[in-house]
Amino acid sequence: GAGVSQSPSNKVTEKGKDVELRCDPISGHTALYWYRQSLGQGLEFLIYFQGNSAPDKSGLPSDRFSAERTGGSVSTLTIQRTQQEDSAVYLCASRRVQETQYFGPGTRLLVL
Amino acid sequence: AQSVSQHNHHVILSEAASLELGCNYSYGGTVNLFWYVQYPGQHLQLLLKYFSGDPLVKGIKGFEAEFIKSKFSFNLRKPSVQWSDTAEYFCAANNAGNMLTFGGGTRLMVKP
Repeated sequence: GAGVSQSPSNKVTEKGKDVELRCDPISGHTALYWYRQSLGQGLEFLIYFQGNSAPDKSGLPSDRFSAERTGGSVSTLTIQRTQQEDSAVYLCASRRVQETQYFGPGTRLLVL
Repeated sequence: AQSVSQHNHHVILSEAASLELGCNYSYGGTVNLFWYVQYPGQHLQLLLKYFSGDPLVKGIKGFEAEFIKSKFSFNLRKPSVQWSDTAEYFCAANNAGNMLTFGGGTRLMVKP
């Protein structure tokens, strides 16, 4: 079946611009996660959506980062006023209740 | 604080050598443990997982891991590696479906 998909696969932007990254989870998966993979920090949790509950935003590094999940399915991660240190691969994962998280291919973001 | 640590950052082996990658965790409550693999140019894939029951778990491609509660460890093993096992391996943990905490990863290179 179809896995987690993310778009775009690559994004190059200028410092100070806003970017939006999209995640389409596996159909029927109730939980959705965003992580970031960078050279200096490894794999870090950003934000977690579970059903209709308020998201767990405890991993967001600053208030420039936000995410929403519309209709319990697609999610968008927005980074405002991008900085060079935001350059990383942004990963999305989804799961059913209590099951394993399945990861998408990621969006590679480069901030110039 | 919850943490996962991997002792080996880089491992180089010849084909047919045995592999053991260390993973230790510091987690309160009931912990779930995972090993993910990232092949060059590909996304994170699940190798194996431990939720409960038999502490020796078998995964795909001949990998296995043993949960040793007294040592807070979940080491990954394979009796005979192949060139195609060249990848980065991540140990991860969570509590009951929450966000994953990842170790720093181990880059494995298998020489043909």
